[in-house]
Amino acid sequence: QITLRESGPTLVKPTETLTLTCNFSGFSLTTTKMGVGWIRQPPGKALEWLALIYWSDEKRYSPSLRNRLTLTKGTSKNQVVLTLTNMDPMDTATYYCVHDFWDGYDIWGQGIMVTVSS
Amino acid sequence: QTVVTQEPSLTVSPGGTITLTCASSTGAVTSDYYASWFQQKPGQAPRALIYSANNKHSWTPARFSGSLVGGKAALTLSRVQPEDEADYYCLLYYGGVWVFGGGTKLTVL
Repeated sequence: QITLRESGPTLVKPTETLTLTCNFSGFSLTTTKMGVGWIRQPPGKALEWLALIYWSDEKRYSPSLRNRLTLTKGTSKNQVVLTLTNMDPMDTATYYCVHDFWDGYDIWGQGIMVTVSS
Repeated sequence: QTVVTQEPSLTVSPGGTITLTCASSTGAVTSDYYASWFQQKPGQAPRALIYSANNKHSWTPARFSGSLVGGKAALTLSRVQPEDEADYYCLLYYGGVWVFGGGTKLTVL
């Protein structure tokens, strides 16, 4: 059974860097065609795709956030870390990590609500 | 800037059938866009329904189906149930990046 869980701060100040961790189980990010993606949703708004890291360590980023986003595999083999620099109130959102099985996304984490405020 | 367009809102009667669509600003949606569909109910994380245009996950109810119609991706709900009231999002693949549609709020009334 695949599960994912996001963790990190729920409140950050403008200009700070956000670091979120996705801890997952039920699959390995060393298995061919596996990936972990990040998606966010501002309150009352639509979903926004952010980034994806593949088993091969290949990474893909949203063009609009490419300069601020970084995805890495964590120190634990079952972790993916997302960093988003220069946080702005517009980045206030629920952030989800999602399992990618090459043909698409299937299993979602519960999400973590991050508020950007001074 | 690529834009994926969905109907903002739709209403359907219980037991009825409705089709939600997903269009791309780049042109016709084909199988190369690996269209996915997700359902989201208030306060919950989205749930995957359809991948690669017309493939169901093991948990997807049989009354949900995906297709490519008239240059768009489509999600058809048959025999609609009250619990199908939710927001529905499509997701399209653009050669390395993914873009969500703005979502359709489906009301069952």
